[in-house]
Parts: sequence; structure tokens; C-alpha cells
Amino acid sequence: AQSVTQPDIHITVSEGASLELRCNYSYGATPYLFWYVQSPGQGLQLLLKYFSGDTLVQGIKGFEAEFKRSQSSFNLRKPSVHWSDAAEYFCAVGEPRGGNKLTFGTGTQLKVEL
Amino acid sequence: EPEVTQTPSHQVTQMGQEVILRCVPISNHLYFYWYRQILGQKVEFLVSFYNNEISEKSEIFDDQFSVERPDGSNFTLKIRSTKLEDSAMYFCASSAGLAGGYEQYFGPGTRLTVT
Repeated sequence: AQSVTQPDIHITVSEGASLELRCNYSYGATPYLFWYVQSPGQGLQLLLKYFSGDTLVQGIKGFEAEFKRSQSSFNLRKPSVHWSDAAEYFCAVGEPRGGNKLTFGTGTQLKVEL
Repeated sequence: EPEVTQTPSHQVTQMGQEVILRCVPISNHLYFYWYRQILGQKVEFLVSFYNNEISEKSEIFDDQFSVERPDGSNFTLKIRSTKLEDSAMYFCASSAGLAGGYEQYFGPGTRLTVT
């Protein structure tokens, strides 16, 4: 069964500092991997996705993520955090097919200090 | 930019009542999903729907739940007899599939409160 671990429940960074949110997954083959962001009272917005190919993927809002098969990781990064990035971030894994269910991690709550 | 919409944004119901949550997926998407998020917990998959039938469902999706695509635009989740533990945020999602991509786009959610 597929699973996702986000080891950091809360992270606080200063505005302008770099950010890395960790995600480890368990899946038998090459999965589809996603990062979503959820602001308070909002739905889930897709930040980026990995299906295949280049292991460094770019997303919206200046985020990027790197797929490392050997470590079963898909960490999210941003070089310089803005106060508006404060939100909850979810990593998700899915099977590489249509109608694939997504399995989410427990999320990482990001706080940005001004 | 096309988006998934959901109504209502908040639904309060009494235990044992039936509720219908409504979603309008992105036009021309082929796959539709429902997820739920109990307060403070992770987002959980409920069901996926393709070609007018359920393609996958979780253990949570028991006989009390049903989904329907009554017309060309709406996708609904019905809970026949609500329980207190059904209180959660329910998210609808859709994906294009095939050449359009398998990433899922989520709606803003319906907060269901069962009293």
C-alpha cells in the first residue's frame, strides 16, 4: 500500500530565508508525486507534480521539488520565502494511471516570521 | 482559469438526515473524485468515478455513501443517514486523464457539520 510521511508537523522560517519541506513516500514502483498547498479555509491548490523524466520539477509561486528514488523522497524547496507562503503543505502520492487515488501526508504547517 | 466549484460551502445537518454535496468539475475532465478531511487530520480518499461508474473506493465509502453524475456538469456525493463522525471538510476533485494529465484539481470544499 502506498503511504506518505511528512516528518515535520510545524516549520517556522523568517521571510527571505530558504525553505525545505520533507516528504518520504512508500510505493512499489515509480509513483506520481504531488505537492499541494492549503491556506486557511481554502481548498487544495496544486503546486507541482512529478510523473517522470527530469527529477527536479518546477512549480508555481517559485517552488521546486526534487525526486530522489534512492531515498524515496520528494522534498519541496523555495529559495526565498514570502510572508504569503504561510499555509499548510501536503505531499501526496498516486498510482501512475487515470482515476488514481491520492494518498496524502499529514501536512506541514509553515509559519513565516516577518 | 477553469476551476472546480462546490456547493454549499457549509452544510449543517442533524444526525440521521440525508445530505447531498454538489460539485461542478472542470469542463472536459474525465475523472472525478471525493476526498474528506476531518478537522486536524489528513486528507483521505473516498471514491473515484469514471465513465459513469465508480472506479475505486475506500473502506470509508460504505453503503451510506453514493455518488452520481446526474447531468453533463454536476457530480454529487450523497450521505444517506449522517453520523456525527461524518463531520468533515469534503473536497471534490477532477482530472483530465490521458493526454490531458492525471493531476487532480480540487474544489474549495464543503464543510459538513453533523449535530
